[in-house]
Amino acid sequence: GAGVSQSPRYKVAKRGQDVALRCDPISGHVSLFWYQQALGQGPEFLTYFQNEAQLDKSGLPSDRFFAERPEGSVSTLKIQRTQQEDSAVYLCASSGYPDPEYSNQPQHFGDGTRLSIL
Amino acid sequence: AQKITQTQPGMFVQEKEAVTLDCTYDTSDPSYGLFWYKQPSSGEMIFLIYQGSYDQQNATEGRYSLNFQKARKSANLVISASQLGDSAMYFCAMREDNAGNNRKLIWGLGTSLAVNP
Repeated sequence: GAGVSQSPRYKVAKRGQDVALRCDPISGHVSLFWYQQALGQGPEFLTYFQNEAQLDKSGLPSDRFFAERPEGSVSTLKIQRTQQEDSAVYLCASSGYPDPEYSNQPQHFGDGTRLSIL
Repeated sequence: AQKITQTQPGMFVQEKEAVTLDCTYDTSDPSYGLFWYKQPSSGEMIFLIYQGSYDQQNATEGRYSLNFQKARKSANLVISASQLGDSAMYFCAMREDNAGNNRKLIWGLGTSLAVNP
């Protein structure tokens, strides 16, 4: 597709359930980022992939959060045993970096997944 | 420590007037990039404008311009001729270029802009 695609757009889960959020980046983009945006806040970095390699996962809030990008394209963010504090919008972004041609290009974002934990 | 500060939680502007949204940043990295994004109520994050730390001129993109004052570490967004569709949250973000391979963005808290007819 032309842009970053995220699904589902909305997800409601009961506390303790596992959820999986999908991100389909712009075709050919090497870099993929996940951010968490709490209500009324700016996004916070979660994790970063370059192709299939997860180069930074320092922003993942706990070991209940897991992300993968096995073939260097689609990525999945999984949250196990969800808690109410996990309620947020989860944003995925991609960019052409580290291709030098994309050095100063912005990250392109999907519409996000709004996760509500009851 | 890296940090982005947006001191205006909310702003109002009359349609067709110009408005400036403030952003200050803090970094010890000599090479960095500054971005402004718009987030309407529908939630998508829309890229507006980019300024590199070594750029000599202020960036402009249509009705958007960036007032970059490097010595003061400020990167204010100017929207000219405001339109009703400009009503949204606006985020300032920074990318540090020497932070290894990770080009993550560091974000401010945002400014909510309301354009009045």
